[in-house]
Amino acid sequence: DVKVTQSSRYLVKRTGEKVFLECVQDMDHENMFWYRQDPGLGLRLIYFSYDVKMKEKGDIPEGYSVSREKKERFSLILESASTNQTSMYLCASTTEGDRVGNTIYFGEGSWLTVV
Amino acid sequence: DAKTTQPTSMDCAEGRAANLPCNHSTISGNEYVYWYRQIHSQGPQYIIHGLKNNETNEMASLIITEDRKSSTLILPHATLRDTAVYYCIVRVATGGFKTIFGAGTRLFVKA
Repeated sequence: DVKVTQSSRYLVKRTGEKVFLECVQDMDHENMFWYRQDPGLGLRLIYFSYDVKMKEKGDIPEGYSVSREKKERFSLILESASTNQTSMYLCASTTEGDRVGNTIYFGEGSWLTVV
Repeated sequence: DAKTTQPTSMDCAEGRAANLPCNHSTISGNEYVYWYRQIHSQGPQYIIHGLKNNETNEMASLIITEDRKSSTLILPHATLRDTAVYYCIVRVATGGFKTIFGAGTRLFVKA
């Protein structure tokens, strides 16, 4: 069974702290994504990566950075957490290539509260 | 990737079919229609996808109009556990990095 695992389900951090959200997938997928989800706003793409050490900005990259040192792992970093970054963060992955319908697989989500 | 339009919310009686519509009038020829659902506090779960033919799996059926500008997800016998937000998205099979998720349809299944 395919799996995307987010290391932390619930976190509480202080304003100004550096926060790491880790995501690991076991499907050998090339593409990995970080979204945040807020009430009424749907899923918004923060960053994505299509290969090791490659990254591209999504729609709302400000205040975030990412790291992809290994194919299976994609980390989201909040350099200096702020209260407006309180949200649910979703990691996802999908394969590349000429396959019919490359389904996106999501993790369970990480609920981050910045106080 | 094209955008989609879905009703904000729908109700369905338990045991009846739930029909969730989606408009995607700007869909391109190489874009697939995908459906996901999200139960509260969990990540979205894949349901079904299709290109132009109707599709069925153990969870649902997908009906795509001939002009591909709209589709309907059918849950044949809705249960209380099907209460969730349902997302209809369109994306290419390869390289569709910026998949757009809208607000989805909140389905309430009532006893």
